[in-house]
Amino acid sequence: DSGVTQTPKHLITATGQRVTLRCSPRSGDLSVYWYQQSLDQGLQFLIQYYNGEERAKGNILERFSAQQFPDLHSELNLSSLELGDSALYFCASSVGGSGMNTEAFFGQGTRLTVV
Amino acid sequence: GEDVEQSLFLSVREGDSSVINCTYTDSSSTYLYWYKQEPGAGLQLLTYIFSNMDMKQDQRLTVLLNKKDKHLSLRIADTQTGDSAIYFCAEKDKNYGGSQGNLIFGKGTKLSVKP
Repeated sequence: DSGVTQTPKHLITATGQRVTLRCSPRSGDLSVYWYQQSLDQGLQFLIQYYNGEERAKGNILERFSAQQFPDLHSELNLSSLELGDSALYFCASSVGGSGMNTEAFFGQGTRLTVV
Repeated sequence: GEDVEQSLFLSVREGDSSVINCTYTDSSSTYLYWYKQEPGAGLQLLTYIFSNMDMKQDQRLTVLLNKKDKHLSLRIADTQTGDSAIYFCAEKDKNYGGSQGNLIFGKGTKLSVKP
């Protein structure tokens, strides 16, 4: 158990809908990262928050957004869902967010299926 | 931009050594990582190596780094059926001046261990 909790584990929804994925980082970790894992793209970094503020942005679509709350949990919002958004979404957390070795611990992921 | 490449499949017999190879493009990478993903699970950090090292050994795992060729390998000695998983090589993303900690992953090598 990495200490990173993601809910829900599975989500099935229809095209055009909006969903929210939730992540609770390890106790004491200030950074949260969101990754998307799909068969064709592999593991892609979406966005990082550090202590409530956006720190880095990767290949995140405009239809997607995220935030980190004062209690450090994070939510990833996916809207106007398309079939191609079906993927495994991982959250990871680390103590810091800098270029030092910030070992990232991953949650079990949320498997999103868009039908 | 940065890119990390790995072969997609490796099959070995139980008891043999496995060697999983990875090439990366960013010569300024400071840390390089190996993650393991078992079916239905998140990513587990196996080991990492700092760029000023050539080799790191941790029990059955040996990481070799050839900075000149930008080549990283993971050797698993005495491979067991429980080692069957997907192994990801990753490097730090430099796009944000090192002020963040997100990773760039390879597509993963699926290791199959035959009894």
